[in-house]
Amino acid sequence: NAGVTQTPKFQVLKTGQSMTLQCAQDMNHEYMSWYRQDPGMGLRLIHYSVGAGITDQGEVPNGYNVSRSTTEDFPLRLLSAAPSQTSVYFCASSDREIYEQYFGPGTRLTVT
Amino acid sequence: EDQVTQSPEALRLQEGESSSLNCSYTVSGLRGLFWYRQDPGKGPEFLFTLYSAGEEKEKERLKATLTKKESFLHITAPKPEDSATYLCAVQAYDMRFGAGTRLTVKP
Repeated sequence: NAGVTQTPKFQVLKTGQSMTLQCAQDMNHEYMSWYRQDPGMGLRLIHYSVGAGITDQGEVPNGYNVSRSTTEDFPLRLLSAAPSQTSVYFCASSDREIYEQYFGPGTRLTVT
Repeated sequence: EDQVTQSPEALRLQEGESSSLNCSYTVSGLRGLFWYRQDPGKGPEFLFTLYSAGEEKEKERLKATLTKKESFLHITAPKPEDSATYLCAVQAYDMRFGAGTRLTVKP
């Protein structure tokens, strides 16, 4: 099992550019989430999904889009990158609600 | 508004010096409280889930407890390899994380 994989590991964008952060899991988990981690603020939930075709917003969804067409994949799209989106992004998956999450290694994004 | 506060922000211990990390929360309808460990440059790694006040979980040198307002992560006789950031998270309507406690254990 590879667990949760994220690509790319590092990315630099210019303001206004768009991109997609990839997340995949091979554990057949229904629940998947995207978080951002900023210094001194901990992890904040961006979007989450409780199964293929079902997504919902978390605490900080503005500027991000998600879709879930398969159980395995949960990409995060930045529509028009802003410097405030400079952060480390983590994807996580879980077998069920209110249960331990498995996190990916993270994507470090810098927006200039 | 749901809030999770961890203290202290940083803690330095000598090897073998036991201590506790605190996670206090104000949420409506706690459904679960989680502890994770995070090493530099890596994603968080699951440690414990607690579901109701009075519950306790143990794993090696770590013990997590839960009351109606806070949770403690007790570290008994820590070793240098226990150095990491420890994150607390609560699940109510959605998942909220605290900012973490950065633990350093000196040999």
